[in-house]
Amino acid sequence: DADVTQTPRNRITKTGKRIMLECSQTKGHDRMYWYRQDPGLGLRLIYYSFDVKDINKGEISDGYSVSRQAQAKFSLSLESAIPNQTALYFCATSDPTGATGQFFGPGTRLTVL
Amino acid sequence: AQSVTQLGSHVSVSEGALVLLRCNYSSSVPPYLFWYVQYPNQGLQLLLKYTSAATLVKGINGFEAEFKKSETSFHLTKPSAHMSDAAEYFCAVRINTGTASKLTFGTGTRLQVTL
Repeated sequence: DADVTQTPRNRITKTGKRIMLECSQTKGHDRMYWYRQDPGLGLRLIYYSFDVKDINKGEISDGYSVSRQAQAKFSLSLESAIPNQTALYFCATSDPTGATGQFFGPGTRLTVL
Repeated sequence: AQSVTQLGSHVSVSEGALVLLRCNYSSSVPPYLFWYVQYPNQGLQLLLKYTSAATLVKGINGFEAEFKKSETSFHLTKPSAHMSDAAEYFCAVRINTGTASKLTFGTGTRLQVTL
């Protein structure tokens, strides 16, 4: 089984709708991250979490919110989706040092019409 | 602030030829550096990492990278390209912010391997 799972894998929605993307991990890591990937821009950090009680904004948090329901679960919400939020979204985890790198889920492809 | 620059958004090589993907970093402190690979419709997979030990780092699938402080570079190489190496490659640097460790990614290099 995959260490980091994301649901759904694909989602098409309409402008103004609320969307939740979910991430679960079995690696036992405290740190979790949400990124979006756009062609030519690489990965950009949306939010990250040290542990269940600690949530931090990344470089592009506007229009997004997150919830860390448990050590293993980290959800990303778009309260009112807009077309420029169409992207590939990745969840990742790491140990406290980050020295072993981050472990990524398979991604969620979101299209906002 | 730490950052990485990947030179060349697209690189094309022939099967069997040398692969060279370039990455330069900017960091005010000794960096941790990473190369990730993304195959079509998949997430990112760690290829290799530099964490201040040996400057020549070997990774999976025959890839290696050399940390050169004087050139602020961490280029990825493979002696002989295979068709299966076609993918997008990302260089990343670890940023330490308090007790957190975040990664800053380059914009990626798409590798095409031709017959």
